[in-house]
Amino acid sequence: QVQLVQSGAEVKKPGASVKVSCKASGYTFSSYGISWVRQAPGQGLEWMGWISAYNGNTNYAQKLQGRVTMTTDPPTSTAYMELRSLRSDDTAVYYCARGRPTIASPFDYWGQGTLVTVSS
Amino acid sequence: EIVMTQSPATLSVSPGERATLSCRASQSVSSNLAWYQQKPGQAPRLLIYGASTRATGIPARFSASGSGTEFTLTISSLQSEDFAVYYCQQYNNWLYTFGQGTKLEIK
Repeated sequence: QVQLVQSGAEVKKPGASVKVSCKASGYTFSSYGISWVRQAPGQGLEWMGWISAYNGNTNYAQKLQGRVTMTTDPPTSTAYMELRSLRSDDTAVYYCARGRPTIASPFDYWGQGTLVTVSS
Repeated sequence: EIVMTQSPATLSVSPGERATLSCRASQSVSSNLAWYQQKPGQAPRLLIYGASTRATGIPARFSASGSGTEFTLTISSLQSEDFAVYYCQQYNNWLYTFGQGTKLEIK
């Protein structure tokens, strides 16, 4: 069955970076893309960006341009999201979610979420 | 950026009754609209895509309609497990956006 398993919770200081992983199984990794979505405490869902595991193309939300990088490691079927220059308002649960590889699409499978806390 | 607006913010309905949730897009998204259900402490779950197609395993009591800028999610006979937060999402272009959510609570 399709599974996306994310890395564990992180606590970071303001100005630091965090890198969250998302290991896929149960499907052909390179046939899909991965989006990252975050959810601040008590808030709604915010799309952060997308990477195609097919060709490595990326697309990032404008507000995060320059601070976020998404990558994949096809041999291990793992996607990564790195967020730099962390601020307190980056505190959120970060989710990876599967989508189509070359066209915009809904997200049919989601990871369990990774809590990132930014605090001095 | 396409802004998605959901209404109401909170909907109180009794079990067994019908619930109707709305989602409006600031510009046309054609039928590139999805609905998700999220329960506390869980990841969102895809319910509907293509504005009206149920995702795999979603019960028939969930139905949806709309195109362009106006969309509706209907739950025909609410079960206890349906009380959750529901989000709409447009995927008409690569700048995905979500609505702010409708919390469906027990009346």
